[in-house]
Amino acid sequence: AQTVTQSQPEMSVQEAETVTLSCTYDTSESNYYLFWYKQPPSRQMILVIRQEAYKQQNATENRFSVNFQKAAKSFSLKISDSQLGDTAMYFCAFMKHAREKLVFGQGTRLTINP
Amino acid sequence: EADIYQTPRYLVIGTGKKITLECSQTMGHDKMYWYQQDPGMELHLIHYSYGVNSTEKGDLSSESTVSRIRTEHFPLTLESARPSHTSQYLCASSDSGQGIIGELFFGEGSRLTVL
Repeated sequence: AQTVTQSQPEMSVQEAETVTLSCTYDTSESNYYLFWYKQPPSRQMILVIRQEAYKQQNATENRFSVNFQKAAKSFSLKISDSQLGDTAMYFCAFMKHAREKLVFGQGTRLTINP
Repeated sequence: EADIYQTPRYLVIGTGKKITLECSQTMGHDKMYWYQQDPGMELHLIHYSYGVNSTEKGDLSSESTVSRIRTEHFPLTLESARPSHTSQYLCASSDSGQGIIGELFFGEGSRLTVL
């Protein structure tokens, strides 16, 4: 079974700083999908960014980018120029293929301080 | 904002009561899910459905039951609530035919407290 591990339960940075959230996963598959989801306080969880394992290029979405290291089974999220609105729980997730369910990590609580 | 709605947002009830958490989506998504999440903790999949009249149990055992009679509606029922059921319940949906693979749309959650 696939597992997803987020080793940082909590992180805190100052506004405008860059922060990196770590995620590792375990799978024997060669092709799969990886995701970062954001859950703001008392608001709906939303998809932040997605990576397909067969693509070598790291995905980027505005201030959000990933560092995908397939051999190391590592999938970190970098938030540049952090903003107060980035304060949230961040969940890393894995999906084997389109018909499979998402497997979520334990989450990292990120606080952006003014 | 995603078009997926959960009611009630907050519910405080006594032990032994029957409760139903409602979840509706207007996006025509075929897949729907229920997750259980303690505050600030990881999500546990308790039920999912890949279409009308299709329901499956998730990874975490739950005493709740679900039904999928209509595409847009996926209610969760607890026949006899207990304090151990106190948690937040998140409903989500996704489209297997279009859109971003793996993108789930979540409701705002139903926070249940059983006294």
